[in-house]
Amino acid sequence: EDQVTQSPEALRLQEGESSSLNCSYTVSGLRGLFWYRQDPGKGPEFLFTLYSAGEEKEKERLKATLTKKESFLHITAPKPEDSATYLCAVPDSSYKLIFGSGTRLLVRP
Amino acid sequence: EPEVTQTPSHQVTQMGQEVILRCVPISNHLYFYWYRQILGQKVEFLVSFYNNEISEKSEIFDDQFSVERPDGSNFTLKIRSTKLEDSAMYFCATGQGSYEQYFGPGTRLTVT
Repeated sequence: EDQVTQSPEALRLQEGESSSLNCSYTVSGLRGLFWYRQDPGKGPEFLFTLYSAGEEKEKERLKATLTKKESFLHITAPKPEDSATYLCAVPDSSYKLIFGSGTRLLVRP
Repeated sequence: EPEVTQTPSHQVTQMGQEVILRCVPISNHLYFYWYRQILGQKVEFLVSFYNNEISEKSEIFDDQFSVERPDGSNFTLKIRSTKLEDSAMYFCATGQGSYEQYFGPGTRLTVT
């Protein structure tokens, strides 16, 4: 069964304190791995797609990496506005997205 | 930048009533999805729609649910007789191909 697990559930950082979020996945044939940001009461906002092991994508203070079993979202020198829930998702064989539970990130000034 | 829009942003309805949630996809997208998120839970798939027909539906998507593209642009989700457990955020998502999906802001459905 296709599955996505994210850790930690919640993460509190001081402004400027870099860290990483983890997404491990089990899927029958990787068709991409997606990272989304979700603010409270809003829809998931697309951040990155990674398609193959070794691939990296960057956007401002965020960098996503992918291995054969997991993906990391690295946050460098975060700011309070980076506070959000970060969701990881993979498409299954019929392309519907299987989501993880997300990591709630709080960055304190 | 094109985006997916949804209306209404919040819908309150009584148990047993019908609701229609509306989505305007990004204009050149061909794949359409509905997902929902119960408060504090994961985003979960409801239904996918391509070429004017349902591609796949989840166990949640029973006979009380239906989808259509009434005018070739809007994409709607109808719940015929709402239950308390239908209370959730409902997200429309669209994609150009069968991979990346872009989500709308959601409709918060409250069933009383």
